[in-house]
Amino acid sequence: GAVVSQHPSWVICKSGTSVKIECRSLDFQATTMFWYRQFPKQSLMLMATSNEGSKATYEQGVEKDKFLINHASLTLSTLTVTSAHPEDSSFYICSAQSTGARQFFGPGTRLTVL
Amino acid sequence: AQTVTQSQPEMSVQEAETVTLSCTYDTSESDYYLFWYKQPPSRQMILVIRQEAYKQQNATENRFSVNFQKAAKSFSLKISDSQLGDAAMYFCAYRVQGGSEKLVFGKGTKLTVNP
Repeated sequence: GAVVSQHPSWVICKSGTSVKIECRSLDFQATTMFWYRQFPKQSLMLMATSNEGSKATYEQGVEKDKFLINHASLTLSTLTVTSAHPEDSSFYICSAQSTGARQFFGPGTRLTVL
Repeated sequence: AQTVTQSQPEMSVQEAETVTLSCTYDTSESDYYLFWYKQPPSRQMILVIRQEAYKQQNATENRFSVNFQKAAKSFSLKISDSQLGDAAMYFCAYRVQGGSEKLVFGKGTKLTVNP
C-alpha cells in the first residue's frame, strides 16, 4: 500500500521560532497533499490543500503567513509554522492523494511550543 | 456547505459482539464518497471502508460493513465480532467527487472494546 511519512514525529520549540514539518509520499507521486490540524480529543480540521507547483489553497480562518506551505515536488510538501506560539501546539497530519483520488495519511507530527 | 455529524461521542462493546456507529451528512451533491477512518492511540489514520454514493450495494470489508441510506443521508458502520484491536476513534468522512476533493470529517466516536 501507499506510504506517507512525516518528519519530525515530535518537535519542541521555543516561542517565536519557526518549525518546518515535512510530508513525503514514499512510493507514489502525489499531485495534491492536504494539511490537517488536530487538537486533543477533537476531529481533523483541514488547514490547506497543497498542489505541486502552485500556491496552496487555505481554508477560511487559517493564516497564510503563519502556516507556510510549499509543495515543491510530486513527493514532498512542507508546512512551516512561523513565529510559533504556545497556541500553535497541536498535532499536524498530512495526507497525500494518489491517482484514483485515494488519500493516504502520514503518521502525524506533534508540535509543542514552549 | 457539507457537514458530517456523528451523534455518539463514545460507544462501548463487549469483545466478540457487534456494534454500530452512526453517521449522518448533509450535501446537495449527487456524486460523492463516504468513508470511515480509524484512529488508534498511535494517531495514524487508517481507512476502514469506503462507499461510492452511486453504488446501491453496501460496502463490506471483512468484519466491517456499512448501511448506506442515500435518501436519508445516513452512513452507519457495523463492526462484527469486535476485537480488542478495534478500540480507537472512528471518524466518518465525506468527499465530493471531483472539485477540491478535500475530506470533511465528523467529530468522531470513541469506541471502547471490553474484554
